[in-house]
Amino acid sequence: GAVVSQHPSWVICKSGTSVKIECRSLDFQATTMFWYRQFPKQSLMLMATSNEGSKATYEQGVEKDKFLINHASLTLSTLTVTSAHPEDSSFYICSAGRDGETQYFGPGTRLLVL
Amino acid sequence: QKEVEQDPGPLSVPEGAIVSLNCTYSNSAFQYFMWYRQYSRKGPELLMYTYSSGNKEDGRFTAQVDKSSKYISLFIRDSQPSDSATYLCAMSGYNNNDMRFGAGTRLTVKP
Repeated sequence: GAVVSQHPSWVICKSGTSVKIECRSLDFQATTMFWYRQFPKQSLMLMATSNEGSKATYEQGVEKDKFLINHASLTLSTLTVTSAHPEDSSFYICSAGRDGETQYFGPGTRLLVL
Repeated sequence: QKEVEQDPGPLSVPEGAIVSLNCTYSNSAFQYFMWYRQYSRKGPELLMYTYSSGNKEDGRFTAQVDKSSKYISLFIRDSQPSDSATYLCAMSGYNNNDMRFGAGTRLTVKP
């Protein structure tokens, strides 16, 4: 159990376009979902935490107007990178958690902005 | 001082060796301790999940938590080339919203 999926697994887009990444918990209801980004050979960097039906809480330095997070249901959260630029190219990983339990990670989405 | 300290390595061992990975932490409120394995270009995979102090064994993997020393370990016995990955320690209080990760240790097991 505790399977988390992400879609798409990779995306290439032109600078200035917006990209939406979906994160789904497939076999459990996630009260909280998390979005991370990871640069090559570096650890996970938490971007934001979202609870179903409420606004996301962003980490310091993360632009909430650039990285739009929607947590519409207990099994789905989306991250939209608006007006993407080459510096937004990264590996984006979501995770989902149940109260009192650990986080289960998705397989990640590799974004390349040209 | 970071809340969670983990030596990034890289660590290289021969096949069959016992691998010891460690993390230290400063926040005494941490109650849950996790080890994740991350292969290149993949999301982290939960390996071990322990609560409070003690040992937990799962196959070739053993996790140890010493809360008095604020020190956790992951041991891998009979290491295999397929164990080559980055290992992340993580810990949280009673709410998984406050999980903190180590930097990750890159392990290579050579045939």
